[in-house]
Amino acid sequence: DAGVIQSPRHEVTEMGQEVTLRCKPISGHNSLFWYRQTMMRGLELLIYFNNNVPIDDSGMPEDRFSAKMPNASFSTLKIQPSEPRDSAVYFCASSLTTGSYEQYFGPGTRLTVT
Amino acid sequence: KQEVTQIPAALSVPEGENLVLNCSFTDSAIYNLQWFRQDPGKGLTSLLLIQSSQREQTSGRLNASLDKSSGRSTLYIAASQPGDSATYLCAVYTGANSKLTFGKGITLSVRP
Repeated sequence: DAGVIQSPRHEVTEMGQEVTLRCKPISGHNSLFWYRQTMMRGLELLIYFNNNVPIDDSGMPEDRFSAKMPNASFSTLKIQPSEPRDSAVYFCASSLTTGSYEQYFGPGTRLTVT
Repeated sequence: KQEVTQIPAALSVPEGENLVLNCSFTDSAIYNLQWFRQDPGKGLTSLLLIQSSQREQTSGRLNASLDKSSGRSTLYIAASQPGDSATYLCAVYTGANSKLTFGKGITLSVRP
């Protein structure tokens, strides 16, 4: 299996632009998670889906952030409009289901907003 | 609210040393605890997963223990090697919504 796939790996954009991050979970996994990692705050859960349905989005920082999972093999995290403080590494992870199952992480997308 | 603490933030040891990385958490009602490794500029690699009913898990030179009642876990690395240099993160799975809460990690440097 190719593991969790994320694209792009790096994104540099100007403040105010729309940014879309993409994730393909491991085939057969029913749960998908979006995290953000910064030096100051460490790793934070933004939102997670189970069977393509958003279960908990309490970690989404503002209305500028939105996430979708139109099918079992694809999810997007969108920031519109982007701001410099959104600069971080965004990780996608998947697991068989929610509960006490091991999570597998993608390589991350490093976002820089200037 | 669950909080996970890893102290110290950084550690430097000579090659060959046995070492222990500590993790503490505030809410003992966890489902499991997971140790990850993160190399610079890379994603997270799962090292060990300990279910709440277990006391420890082993994989090669790594051994992780869990003491739920005291809110502690340790990751033991035997005979450390320069290739072990990385950041090690501890995360606990808590609550009905089953969220993973991460510590900020311990950056380990193993000197040749």
